Amino acid sequence: EAQVTQNPRYLITVTGKKLTVTCSQNMNHEYMSWYRQDPGLGLRQIYYSMNVEVTDKGDVPEGYKVSRKEKRNFPLILESPSPNQTSLYFCATRTAYNEKLFFGSGTQLSVL
Amino acid sequence: GQQLNQSPQSMFIQEGEDVSMNCTSSSIFNTWLWYKQDPGEGPVLLIALYKAGELTSNGRLTAQFGITRKDSFLNISASIPSDVGIYFCAGQIALGGATNKLIFGTGTLLAVQP
Repeated sequence: EAQVTQNPRYLITVTGKKLTVTCSQNMNHEYMSWYRQDPGLGLRQIYYSMNVEVTDKGDVPEGYKVSRKEKRNFPLILESPSPNQTSLYFCATRTAYNEKLFFGSGTQLSVL
Repeated sequence: GQQLNQSPQSMFIQEGEDVSMNCTSSSIFNTWLWYKQDPGEGPVLLIALYKAGELTSNGRLTAQFGITRKDSFLNISASIPSDVGIYFCAGQIALGGATNKLIFGTGTLLAVQP
């Protein structure tokens, strides 16, 4: 079954404590991306990757890092989380030349 | 970053009613997509539109690519309780070369009273 798997689903942490949200896909998609969803703001892109070892900033990259060492994995790293990063995060993937995104189930992050 | 203006922000309707929502922008898009997000899940693609004026249906859902290429509309006929969720439009814009960018609307929250 085609899947985009995010972990964890829920995370509560404190300001400044480094964390990583993992994303894995089994569809051999070249393109992977991270979004955050906030009330009234819709989905905003944080970072994206066109392929292995190729990453680019999206619209709201401040405070985040990503890496793409393997095609299937695209972790999102918060080196020093702050309360304004409390949000619902989604990983999404697609093939290189198709606009149709497949989303994971989301990670609800709370930074206290 | 760019965003699409999606309206209404929320709708509370009775089962059986029809629903309309739309997205507008000052930018021209080459593709429009409509997604639905069920509670506790990620968005799932409903309909994709590829040319101006295109009208496409998926069951009780019908979406249109606006003639000006700056807007899109989604209609749901005879709503049922499982239509509850957040609906997002997304427009694809060409950045140059083979690079495109997908921009999401702010979402429409739909609640259906049985």
